[in-house]
Amino acid sequence: NAGVMQNPRHLVRRRGQEARLRCSPMKGHSHVYWYRQLPEEGLKFMVYLQKENIIDESGMPKERFSAEFPKEGPSILRIQQVVRGDSAAYFCASSTLAGFVHSGNTIYFGEGSWLTVV
Amino acid sequence: GQQLNQSPQSMFIQEGEDVSMNCTSSSIFNTWLWYKQEPGEGPVLLIALYKAGELTSNGRLTAQFGITRKDSFLNISASIPSDVGIYFCAGGSAGGTSYGKLTFGQGTILTVHP
Repeated sequence: NAGVMQNPRHLVRRRGQEARLRCSPMKGHSHVYWYRQLPEEGLKFMVYLQKENIIDESGMPKERFSAEFPKEGPSILRIQQVVRGDSAAYFCASSTLAGFVHSGNTIYFGEGSWLTVV
Repeated sequence: GQQLNQSPQSMFIQEGEDVSMNCTSSSIFNTWLWYKQEPGEGPVLLIALYKAGELTSNGRLTAQFGITRKDSFLNISASIPSDVGIYFCAGGSAGGTSYGKLTFGQGTILTVHP
């Protein structure tokens, strides 16, 4: 997972502020996924993006959350008007192909961005 | 939605002992993945399974993809202190927009006493 780069690693925001989390996928990967991990829980899928397209956002809250993966630059997960319940670790993952059809393609995670809302 | 039940929730073992943990689901998955997470870090892939019935090893780790595609287990042999961490299973689908949409278990916290 060393190739998936996330920043910032730690972010503190006051309630009502905006949080922006960035993710650069592994070299050669064009599929990006965002997951959220609440304290002492497993990871929960939020959104799946390809370059300039949102493929599946079924796990992302309808309000305040948005994600993009522009043609150039990193993928960004944006949380507006943060609340205490948004405090969590946000993980980005990437893969080469859209599918786990063979051992050459799997999904690798970054080291995460820890958001604390005070 | 799909849910995975991972057990046990935690394990306290002596160095040198073998460890076994498993995941079960009410839904079928096309892929089973096992990850290890250490505090403050992201999940690191340990083993990936792509076919029902597949048994795969990675050093002291062995994992199997259940024949029904609804379960998987992970065994760690001769545990060492650096095995400490949280182990997660994850199930993946292979169709439509489900690529990369992994469903994670709740995790197994492993503590190894020297």
